[in-house]
Amino acid sequence: TQLLEQSPQFLSIQEGENLTVYCNSSSVFSSLQWYRQEPGEGPVLLVTVVTGGEVKKLKRLTFQFGDARKDSSLHITAAQPGDTGLYLCAGGKTNAGKSTFGDGTTLTVKP
Amino acid sequence: NAGVTQTPKFQVLKTGQSMTLQCAQDMNHNSMYWYRQDPGMGLRLIYYSASEGTTDKGEVPNGYNVSRLNKREFSLRLESAAPSQTSVYFCASSFYGYTFGSGTRLTVV
Repeated sequence: TQLLEQSPQFLSIQEGENLTVYCNSSSVFSSLQWYRQEPGEGPVLLVTVVTGGEVKKLKRLTFQFGDARKDSSLHITAAQPGDTGLYLCAGGKTNAGKSTFGDGTTLTVKP
Repeated sequence: NAGVTQTPKFQVLKTGQSMTLQCAQDMNHNSMYWYRQDPGMGLRLIYYSASEGTTDKGEVPNGYNVSRLNKREFSLRLESAAPSQTSVYFCASSFYGYTFGSGTRLTVV
């Protein structure tokens, strides 16, 4: 079983602060995805990274895949209350194969 | 843009009752999945189907059965519900990442 560990488990910050959450594994993944889940809804895909060392930016969110494809980070710049949610990473195959999910980081951004 | 549609959204069952959770996707994806999500335990895979006509067990299949009716539909059946099956259930389909439904909140009393 490929395990993904996310840290921190909980994070509470003020609006405007920067933050980074991490997703680590001892296994190599072909691809890694990040999702955001809001209360009462299913997770929504934010990004997929497939190349070691890859960096993708989505507005104020920056995603990085480790060189060895065992870890990833999500950095949010100038967090807003709308960023509040559960952030999940998932690693797996590049194509339509099943992925392993981390337990998530619960982010609260206070106005 | 429906994506993945799950029904029902909420359900309360008595111990021993049976029910079927329905899921349909309109994205022409081959792979579909059923997960359960519990506090502190993340998303756990119950069953998945890599293509029409095939199903495989995931991490927590006991007490569940599935049917891949066609490429669009993948149902999850609880034959004899138990309180331990109280959870939020998500259906998903995938192609370079998952698309999830909005979930079914099931309580077994």
